[in-house]
Amino acid sequence: SYELTQPPSVPVSPGQTVSITCSGDELGERYVSWYQQKPGQSPVLVIYQDRKRPSGIPERFSGSNSGNTATLTISGTQTLDEADYYCQAWDSYSAYVFGTGTKVTVL
Amino acid sequence: QVQVVQSGAEVKKPGASVKVSCKASGYLFGNYGISWVRQAPGQGLEWMGWISGHNGDTTYAQNLQGRVTLTIDTSATTIYMELRNLTSDDTAVYWCARVDMIALGVTEGHFDYWGQGTLVTVSS
Repeated sequence: SYELTQPPSVPVSPGQTVSITCSGDELGERYVSWYQQKPGQSPVLVIYQDRKRPSGIPERFSGSNSGNTATLTISGTQTLDEADYYCQAWDSYSAYVFGTGTKVTVL
Repeated sequence: QVQVVQSGAEVKKPGASVKVSCKASGYLFGNYGISWVRQAPGQGLEWMGWISGHNGDTTYAQNLQGRVTLTIDTSATTIYMELRNLTSDDTAVYWCARVDMIALGVTEGHFDYWGQGTLVTVSS
């Protein structure tokens, strides 16, 4: 089955830039979505088709995808960005696959 | 506006079944799919299955094949997720989410609107 691997946690200081990676075999050949989840809440789509932002998502969220790694970047991180982030891709055998999740801590 | 509203919390005994509903509104139902995702306490997101709002086609996660069934009432724009033979490992929050497919007739897409979540507790 297809697997997506993320670092368990990433710290960031307010106002700084943080990058969250998502690794998978030939991931660059697939579309990747990213979801933000705060404690006790439903996930929220923040990036889809590698780099597109849904309406209402701040410009400080951006995405890229190449080779075996997709990256979600948060520029000028704010305390309200503290959350768990999950990448997601689609595989013809496994269908939808979520990454292992990354906790972003704003220190 | 797009809304996806789920039924309320459930408590079930091991071996029982649970059926959770998901009422969609505010968009052209047949142009999108619905996926179900669950999250056990302290764990990550797990995709369970997808159903087409256009023709009811389904795709299920391999590890749940045979235990989960998605059905659709098109006239009521409501989707149902039934999970059978429950164990304590099925204790989780369950979400339905609208799927914006990359093209009509395919399964692949992204989950742009999520329900509020339904807690299913399996306990003797």
